[in-house]
Amino acid sequence: GAVVSQHPSWVICKSGTSVKIECRSLDFQATTMFWYRQFPKQSLMLMATSNEGSKATYEQGVEKDKFLINHASLTLSTLTVTSAHPEDSSFYICSARPTGLARTYNEQFFGPGTRLTVL
Amino acid sequence: GENVEQHPSTLSVQEGDSAVIKCTYSDSASNYFPWYKQELGKRPQLIIDIRSNVGEKKDQRIAVTLNKTAKHFSLHITETQPEDSAVYFCAASQVFGGGADGLTFGKGTHLIIQP
Repeated sequence: GAVVSQHPSWVICKSGTSVKIECRSLDFQATTMFWYRQFPKQSLMLMATSNEGSKATYEQGVEKDKFLINHASLTLSTLTVTSAHPEDSSFYICSARPTGLARTYNEQFFGPGTRLTVL
Repeated sequence: GENVEQHPSTLSVQEGDSAVIKCTYSDSASNYFPWYKQELGKRPQLIIDIRSNVGEKKDQRIAVTLNKTAKHFSLHITETQPEDSAVYFCAASQVFGGGADGLTFGKGTHLIIQP
């Protein structure tokens, strides 16, 4: 149980194009999903918190107009990298927090990640 | 915001020995502290977590200790095995009535188990 999928697993695009990444919780509902970015040999950095049916909350320094997040259902969140540039090349990982999780836990289940390369 | 420091960045131990990784956090409101293991190119896997109302938690060869006063927590792996080799991340977040914040991660520790 608690499986999270991401699609695509990798994508190569030209500079200036937009790329959409999907994050799905397969066997549970997730009111809240999170998007992280991980550069090679570095840690995961939280980009934004996505809540079903409401606007995403972005971390300081993350451009909301560049990284569009939509969380239209309890099992799907999407991240669109608009007008991608080579510096956006990274490993993007989503995580999902099961709805109804006990208030003292914040267990998050991670997707397998999407490797984005912008040429 | 929260800041998590993790040490060491690289840790090499002999197979069968113990490994200890330490983290400190800055935000006293943080109340949930997970540890993740990540292999190259793979997703992070939760190996153990602890809440702020607990001082220690153990799961077979893995244990985590938390000192709320000092704002630090540690991961202990005993009887290390070659398959324990990976990058380990600590993290901190706040859980509250309406939900939870995202995780703030430490920079990671590359654990190398020498045969």
